[in-house]
Amino acid sequence: GDSVTQMEGPVTLSEEAFLTINCTYTATGYPSLFWYVQYPGEGLQLLLKATKADDKGSNKGFEATYRKETTSFHLEKGSVQVSDSAVYFCALIPNQAGTALIFGKGTTLSVSS
Amino acid sequence: DGGITQSPKYLFRKEGQNVTLSCEQNLNHDAMYWYRQDPGQGLRLIYYSQIVNDFQKGDIAEGYSVSREKKESFPLTVTSAQKNPTAFYLCASSIEASPLHFGNGTRLTVT
Repeated sequence: GDSVTQMEGPVTLSEEAFLTINCTYTATGYPSLFWYVQYPGEGLQLLLKATKADDKGSNKGFEATYRKETTSFHLEKGSVQVSDSAVYFCALIPNQAGTALIFGKGTTLSVSS
Repeated sequence: DGGITQSPKYLFRKEGQNVTLSCEQNLNHDAMYWYRQDPGQGLRLIYYSQIVNDFQKGDIAEGYSVSREKKESFPLTVTSAQKNPTAFYLCASSIEASPLHFGNGTRLTVT
């Protein structure tokens, strides 16, 4: 079945460092891809999305490009801040009506000043 | 403002008791979902509903029940049959294949 695999964390960085969180997926057809962020004690917030191959989603300095040839949707940010410390989830919606979002296991990012 | 409200934020119960978690949305979304979150396991789908009076089991439905009598409401009951009920529960809603909107979650502790 469809699935999402994320790099395991935690990822620990200093402020202003470059961030990459890897995400690969397995799906039939052309799923839509998402990154969500979860701050401590809260629900998930949509960070960015891409709905077709070669689309680049971007928001708050974060970017991810839908790569069908490598079935990947890696999250990047050029310069992280302490406020970016959170759990990041990669997710997909399969290309079938009536199906729910499928999540990766999440990657914890900790940024220190 | 439109959104999803989960209540309460923290819930404590004794083992063997059923407990119902509330989820209300005023986004006029057709679909609603319940996920369970455990450390290191990400989010796992419990139940979802695409339309009023209809719902489907997710990956871990055993020990849980839901109802969808109104579009705005999708309560989740954690029954005594659920062997490990202590977790963080997240409710979400969406319209068609759009991204999910999440509530702020309910942390259930069963002792």
